Amino acid sequence: GENVEQHPSTLSVQEGDSAVIKCTYSDSASNYFPWYKQELGKGPQLIIDIRSNVGEKKDQRIAVTLNKTAKHFSLHITETQPEDSAVYFCAASNNNNDMRFGAGTRLTVKP
Amino acid sequence: EAEVAQSPRYKITEKSQAVAFWCDPISGHATLYWYRQILGQGPELLVQFQDESVVDDSQLPKDRFSAERLKGVDSTLKIQPAELGDSAMYLCASSFRQGPYEQYFGPGTRLTVT
Repeated sequence: GENVEQHPSTLSVQEGDSAVIKCTYSDSASNYFPWYKQELGKGPQLIIDIRSNVGEKKDQRIAVTLNKTAKHFSLHITETQPEDSAVYFCAASNNNNDMRFGAGTRLTVKP
Repeated sequence: EAEVAQSPRYKITEKSQAVAFWCDPISGHATLYWYRQILGQGPELLVQFQDESVVDDSQLPKDRFSAERLKGVDSTLKIQPAELGDSAMYLCASSFRQGPYEQYFGPGTRLTVT
């Protein structure tokens, strides 16, 4: 089955700096890669996703890149703000919607 | 904006007791998922429904867990008897249909077994 690894487990940046979170996956059949933001005591919130026919996708300060050959994808947050502080999860899914999540990255943005 | 509803938000129960969680997916979403999230980890799928049918329950501990979605809308997840190791966040998610589509999560039920 699919195995998703996520790094780093914790990340601390200064407000205004960029943050990058990286994930690798093992199943070449995976074709959908969402990213979720989870704030304390809340459910995960979908913030951006990318499909295997696209190499990069951007939404305002958030971008995701995908390298199918290397089986890795990354989340990039620019101009970070204190409200970006949360736990971020990557995930990988195939046509059966067998979605596997990474272990999460706790991002702290210092004002 | 449509949301996935879950109740209760918090539940404390003693081991060996029965506990049940309820989920109401986004209207029109045919696929419903129950996940378990242990503190410090990512969600792990327990069961997936397509309408009222179970399509994947391979990770559901069937000796104590059961799930149903009788009318293909809302769903209930039950644990009987609860064990200390069941303490976790139980998350419900829904998507428009089965396949690699966006899944939207509810706020979760935080279960503590004492």
